[in-house]
Amino acid sequence: QQQVKQSPQSLIVQKGGIPIINCAYENTAFDYFPWYQQFPGKGPALLIAIRPDVSEKKEGRFTISFNKSAKQFSLHIMDSQPGDSATYFCAADGSNFGNEKLTFGTGTRLTIIP
Amino acid sequence: NAGVMQNPRHLVRRRGQEARLRCSPMKGHSHVYWYRQLPEEGLKFMVYLQKENIIDESGMPKERFSAEFPKEGPSILRIQQVVRGDSAAYFCASSPLGGGTGELFFGEGSRLTVL
Repeated sequence: QQQVKQSPQSLIVQKGGIPIINCAYENTAFDYFPWYQQFPGKGPALLIAIRPDVSEKKEGRFTISFNKSAKQFSLHIMDSQPGDSATYFCAADGSNFGNEKLTFGTGTRLTIIP
Repeated sequence: NAGVMQNPRHLVRRRGQEARLRCSPMKGHSHVYWYRQLPEEGLKFMVYLQKENIIDESGMPKERFSAEFPKEGPSILRIQQVVRGDSAAYFCASSPLGGGTGELFFGEGSRLTVL
């Protein structure tokens, strides 16, 4: 019940395309859903996050879509660039848990080809 | 304005030796989390500490692994009698709050290789 399932495992998209990464969760106590971006040899860094009171959040070229009834959320990257090539992790947490013990998906390795 | 500092960045140990990984949280942060990332896998929670207290160690193996966050100095993750399966990247993260209301700030990781 604590799992977050992420797909696809890897994704190759042409520059300018819109990669979409999907995540699903079971635990209805989750109410905070961040996405982290990780470049090779670096630590993950927060990209964008959403709470279930909204169905969509945009920050620059990055958009999270959230479907509470389906317990699914996804990351869309508009006008993708080669510099977006990285591994993306979705995660989930509950504000009532009393900590920041994020549960991470298994990651999606994204490659944007010129 | 230093971020989360981890050292060493790379560590090589032979089976049976001890590994000590250090983490200094961001200034003003009093909550530290350790995560392990195996090759081609996501990050798995290991332990959550506040100063001088282990709050949640549910993700940490019961044997050979220990963690501390003393009143003074960095948090330390200690792995005794390392085995090949301990080879992984160990990430430390810190946060200013403990209530699921904000982000985790990650260090660049310590990559342990066990020969």
